[in-house]
Amino acid sequence: EPEVTQTPSHQVTQMGQEVILRCVPISNHLYFYWYRQILGQKVEFLVSFYNNEISEKSEIFDDQFSVERPDGSNFTLKIRSTKLEDSAMYFCASSVRGPEQYFGPGTRLTVT
Amino acid sequence: GESVGLHLPTLSVQEGDNSIINCAYSNSASDYFIWYKQESGKGPQFIIDIRSNMDKRQGQRVTVLLNKTVKHLSLQIAATQPGDSAVYFCAEITSGSARQLTFGSGTQLTVLP
Repeated sequence: EPEVTQTPSHQVTQMGQEVILRCVPISNHLYFYWYRQILGQKVEFLVSFYNNEISEKSEIFDDQFSVERPDGSNFTLKIRSTKLEDSAMYFCASSVRGPEQYFGPGTRLTVT
Repeated sequence: GESVGLHLPTLSVQEGDNSIINCAYSNSASDYFIWYKQESGKGPQFIIDIRSNMDKRQGQRVTVLLNKTVKHLSLQIAATQPGDSAVYFCAEITSGSARQLTFGSGTQLTVLP
């Protein structure tokens, strides 16, 4: 069964450093998303991406964040200058057209 | 602001019993409601969804009920199994949004042997 994959599973970085989180969505999916989950809290929407552009973003997704689909398979989330409060699980998701979004296993980002 | 929330943070049931997980929502403009299951260390897993023009939908061992009058959503799991132990989230998609999911805070379901 096809699934969303994410790398790395755990990323440790120092405050102020740039990180890139990588995702490979399910191959025939058209919509791509990033969510995050701070430990013990709700899953929060960051951004949705369709047709090579951002279709929606939340207040969390400020100028420090960017997304890219550099080729036909990868979907990346970049945080330019990480802050302590960026520590969280970051989930990538994808969907065909309908509301059913398939999530990856997540990347745990730890900012020290 | 608008929010989706859960009534109970934890629920324990005996193996073989039925489970009911509840969720209250406040955004009457939501088009879809979705239940996700999240096991420890994994991403949310889609269980079942329901459109706002329906009041009931059944899947394999799961049923979702939607009561728009009181803005309440429930997930019923029949014959609960140990593998059902997880955190369950309800989520909504608001009309006009680009499929942005708004998640509730989650209910921890524990299945007792």
